[in-house]
Amino acid sequence: EAGVAQSPRYKIIEKRQSVAFWCNPISGHATLYWYQQILGQGPKLLIQFQNNGVVDDSQLPKDRFSAERLKGVDSTLKIQPAKLEDSAVYLCASTLAGSDEQYFGPGTRLTVT
Amino acid sequence: AQKVTQAQTEISVVEKEDVTLDCVYETRDTTYYLFWYKQPPSGELVFLIRRNSFDEQNEISGRYSWNFQKSTSSFNFTITASQVVDSAVYFCALRGIMNYGGSQGNLIFGKGTKLSVKP
Repeated sequence: EAGVAQSPRYKIIEKRQSVAFWCNPISGHATLYWYQQILGQGPKLLIQFQNNGVVDDSQLPKDRFSAERLKGVDSTLKIQPAKLEDSAVYLCASTLAGSDEQYFGPGTRLTVT
Repeated sequence: AQKVTQAQTEISVVEKEDVTLDCVYETRDTTYYLFWYKQPPSGELVFLIRRNSFDEQNEISGRYSWNFQKSTSSFNFTITASQVVDSAVYFCALRGIMNYGGSQGNLIFGKGTKLSVKP
């Protein structure tokens, strides 16, 4: 069974530029999560999707971050414009509906200079 | 508020030593779930265990064991006879069921403990 796929693995941009990350969850997993993990910290949930609907985006900085999961499968997270404090690893995870066991992707390491 | 504290930032042991990673949590929920995840250098978090708040039985899985004590709000993780492959960052996490300020019972992670096992 293929795991959660993310791309790119690494991205370096300058502040005020835009960036997008892509996630393809495990086949059949209805729930998809995006987390931000700042160096030395645990992951922090940004947004949770159930199929193509948003369940929780309370911690998503909506003035600059956006995410979509149009067909209920893969998802894109965008930052526009990026700030220095957005430097972090962005993790995508997925679960079967009703399950607690989240499967994580390898993450995208973003560096904003 | 919900909070997870992993007081040990880094631990270094020599192979075959036993090591315990501490986790203390805070929650107002009466029903909640506790988790441990492993994050190797590759970056992917790997699920290790989930316990619910009504099940205080200790659990053993091979060299791994978990000690859940509600009286002290702790959920500690012990690796017996550690191996180099155990080197990773380990995260404890909490999931309640109530809605706190918009967070609908999602995972709250501690800051992690970096374990280095030297040969």
